[in-house]
Amino acid sequence: ETVLTQSPGTLSLSPGETATLSCRASQSVGSKYLAWYQQKPGQAPRLLISGTSTRATGIPDRFSGSGSGTEFTLTISGLEPEDLATYFCQQYGDSPVTFGPGTKVDI
Amino acid sequence: QARLEQSGAEVKTPGASVTISCKAFGYIFSDYYIFWVRQAPGQGLEWMGAITPKSGTTSYAQKFQGEVTLTRDTSTNTTYMHLSSLRSQDTAVYFCARAPIRLPGLLEYWGQGTLVTVS
Repeated sequence: ETVLTQSPGTLSLSPGETATLSCRASQSVGSKYLAWYQQKPGQAPRLLISGTSTRATGIPDRFSGSGSGTEFTLTISGLEPEDLATYFCQQYGDSPVTFGPGTKVDI
Repeated sequence: QARLEQSGAEVKTPGASVTISCKAFGYIFSDYYIFWVRQAPGQGLEWMGAITPKSGTTSYAQKFQGEVTLTRDTSTNTTYMHLSSLRSQDTAVYFCARAPIRLPGLLEYWGQGTLVTVS
């Protein structure tokens, strides 16, 4: 099983700043198989990015993903108040699919 | 626009079982997997199992083998998740989510979640 670790646990930033979220895998993950999800309080998760760097439909371009192998990054440029959420990384190249524990972004 | 609609919240006593439904709208039901994911209060996301609506083939996480049963009804585009022998640790929000056949596990659309309270 591929274990995903995310850091930091919580990120407190101001509007307009840039958030950098890290996701580390216990073994190599194919770039095609790494996703990021956003979960706002009381809501279901929403797909943000698939295949490491491809934004889902309707996701603003201030969200960007990068990385390879065991190190992946989600960057949120120019934070907006509505970006307050927990962000989870996920690998879906290996069974079972696994999720990171999440990074909470406080605005 | 694809959409998944789940059944409402449930309150159960320990030892009971629960069945949650997930109805699909706006896409061809048989063309996508349905995954089930659990989120305990204040916790992260945990994959439970998946079903292929076309064939009914299922796959379960080892932790949930023998406790979870996934079924589907293609006449109503609905998937069901049955969880038996409930314990307090099963108190959680349960989500269904759609994944494409070509990329199983990529959870493109999610249901709104169903809270199950075991008490």
